[in-house]
Amino acid sequence: EAQVTQNPRYLITVTGKKLTVTCSQNMNHEYMSWYRQDPGLGLRQIYYSMNVEVTDKGDVPEGYKVSRKEKRNFPLILESPSPNQTSLYFCASSSSRGQPQHFGDGTRLSIL
Amino acid sequence: GNSVTQMEGPVTLSEEAFLTINCTYTATGYPSLFWYVQYPGEGLQLLLKATKADDKGSNKGFEATYRKETTSFHLEKGSVQVSDSAVYFCALSTNSGGSNYKLTFGKGTLLTVNP
Repeated sequence: EAQVTQNPRYLITVTGKKLTVTCSQNMNHEYMSWYRQDPGLGLRQIYYSMNVEVTDKGDVPEGYKVSRKEKRNFPLILESPSPNQTSLYFCASSSSRGQPQHFGDGTRLSIL
Repeated sequence: GNSVTQMEGPVTLSEEAFLTINCTYTATGYPSLFWYVQYPGEGLQLLLKATKADDKGSNKGFEATYRKETTSFHLEKGSVQVSDSAVYFCALSTNSGGSNYKLTFGKGTLLTVNP
């Protein structure tokens, strides 16, 4: 079954404690992306990756890092989380421009 | 830049009522247009798409027509069911912007269908 898998689904943590949200896809997609969803703001792109070792900033990259060492994995790293990063995060992948993106089930992060 | 404006909710309907959720866009180039649906506690699922002017996307009784002259992509369903209760997002992806296939989303519309 084609899917995008994120872990964890839920996480409550404290300010400054480094965390990583993993994302993996099994569709051999070259393009992967991270979004955050906030009430009243919709979804905004954080980072994206066109291929292995190729990443770039989206609209709201501050406070986040990503890596793309393998085609299937695209982890999101918060090195020093702050309360304003409390949000619902989605990983997505796509095969090409104009094609639908496949989304994971989301990770709800609470930073206290 | 690109933007998507969709009608604000929440929208509450009775079962079998007609649904319209308005969506208009601003974009450079020739965008592909999408409707995504988010059920409670789940990720976004593609509902339908249209890639060029006058295309009609359809799925599960939902329809939307790509209207270039009015830059719109309104979502419609003739008879909603309780199971259609969800948040609906209009989104676009353009052919410009280099290598980023970024989706630009509207803010979402919460639909609640009562029995």
